[in-house]
Amino acid sequence: QSALTQPASVSGSPGQSITISCTGTSSDIGGYNYVSWYQQHPGRAPKLMIYDVTKRPSGVSNRFSGSKSDNTASLTISGLQAEDEADYYCSSYTSSSTLVFGGGTKLTVL
Amino acid sequence: QVQLVESGGGVVQPGRSLRLSCAASGFTFSSYAMHWVRQAPGKGLEWVAVISYDGGDKYYADSVKGRFTISRDNYEKTVYLQMNSLRAEDTAVYYCAKDYDQLLFIMDVWGKGTTVTVFS
Repeated sequence: QSALTQPASVSGSPGQSITISCTGTSSDIGGYNYVSWYQQHPGRAPKLMIYDVTKRPSGVSNRFSGSKSDNTASLTISGLQAEDEADYYCSSYTSSSTLVFGGGTKLTVL
Repeated sequence: QVQLVESGGGVVQPGRSLRLSCAASGFTFSSYAMHWVRQAPGKGLEWVAVISYDGGDKYYADSVKGRFTISRDNYEKTVYLQMNSLRAEDTAVYYCAKDYDQLLFIMDVWGKGTTVTVFS
């Protein structure tokens, strides 16, 4: 199972919005609404930010939102804040009953 | 509070074995599937394995299938990862994570990780 494709890096200024894409295939993203997004700060464990494409766990800011079109999922962060600077990973359930992650995207807040 | 604490990491030679443990607290352990996820130095996340709430279903990444075994003890509230025939490419921080429910492949609680180094 190949990793999902994410841009290596994105950047934005405080207050702006950014979008991170995550491209897979019909065997993962395109076949199921089981896409999640995780935030990871350096040296820390990942944190669940979005699940089931669009849902936010309790306690996650509504500045974070998710969407999906065909084989590509997206994470949008609005009103960028300095604390949003981190690595972001998408994941998807697959037709092999496994999970695949994206390669990760480093978000820099300018 | 909900907590996962991994242990058992260390330095091991290629071809040897190691068993990781993950002790859970603060939630009804026997009601949730559990995952192992790893992260090689400077690299991204890689899902390793999952076990259902009752241990009846187990799934593995192709990279570890046949070498790693996931198991659980619901009485001890612990999940294990038995790693055999270790290779240099298995070097990583290994995280234990709780599933959001029963085999939804959503990880809502993570441990801090334990480091495995395979080095000759």
